[in-house]
Amino acid sequence: AQSVTQLGSHVSVSEGALVLLRCNYSSSVPPYLFWYVQYPNQGLQLLLKYTTGATLVKGINGFEAEFKKSETSFHLTKPSAHMSDAAEYFCAAPMDSSYKLIFGSGTRLLVRP
Amino acid sequence: NAGVTQTPKFRILKIGQSMTLQCTQDMNHNYMYWYRQDPGMGLKLIYYSVGAGITDKGEVPNGYNVSRSTTEDFPLRLELAAPSQTSVYFCASRIGLGYEQYFGPGTRLTVT
Repeated sequence: AQSVTQLGSHVSVSEGALVLLRCNYSSSVPPYLFWYVQYPNQGLQLLLKYTTGATLVKGINGFEAEFKKSETSFHLTKPSAHMSDAAEYFCAAPMDSSYKLIFGSGTRLLVRP
Repeated sequence: NAGVTQTPKFRILKIGQSMTLQCTQDMNHNYMYWYRQDPGMGLKLIYYSVGAGITDKGEVPNGYNVSRSTTEDFPLRLELAAPSQTSVYFCASRIGLGYEQYFGPGTRLTVT
């Protein structure tokens, strides 16, 4: 069955430090992969997406993610954390070949001053 | 464009009461979805629709019903509210091509 796994329900970094949020997927469907961000008391906002082509994908707010097929991973990174990055982040992938997405359980990013 | 809008933002229900959560999108998207979000559990799909007049069950449909009479609207109905339905509910939509979904701001529902 399709699954999306996010390692670490909470990640804490200092302001200015590297952000690394991990996502692994399992799928036989040509990969479309997404990262969404959810700020407190808000809906989910698309951060970036991978469809085809370049494996390093750039998104909003300085985030990027690299698709590694051999590792079935799509980790999210940002070189320098900002206080405004504190939020919950969700990785998502299509559920088989259907119209549906499956979401990881989320990683809450805490940024320390 | 307003995108995906949801009403109400908050609601408290007593056990056994009924209510309808409203969802409207103005992007002419064919596909619409209802999710519930529980702490630490990610998002679970309740129902989805691939177009007006067509709906189907997701992972957790029990206790809910939907209808899709127009492209714009996709209301979610709770008939007999139970404490287990306390959650945050999100509506989403997407256009036919690609899989990315656009989310509404959510409805926080408490059943006591």
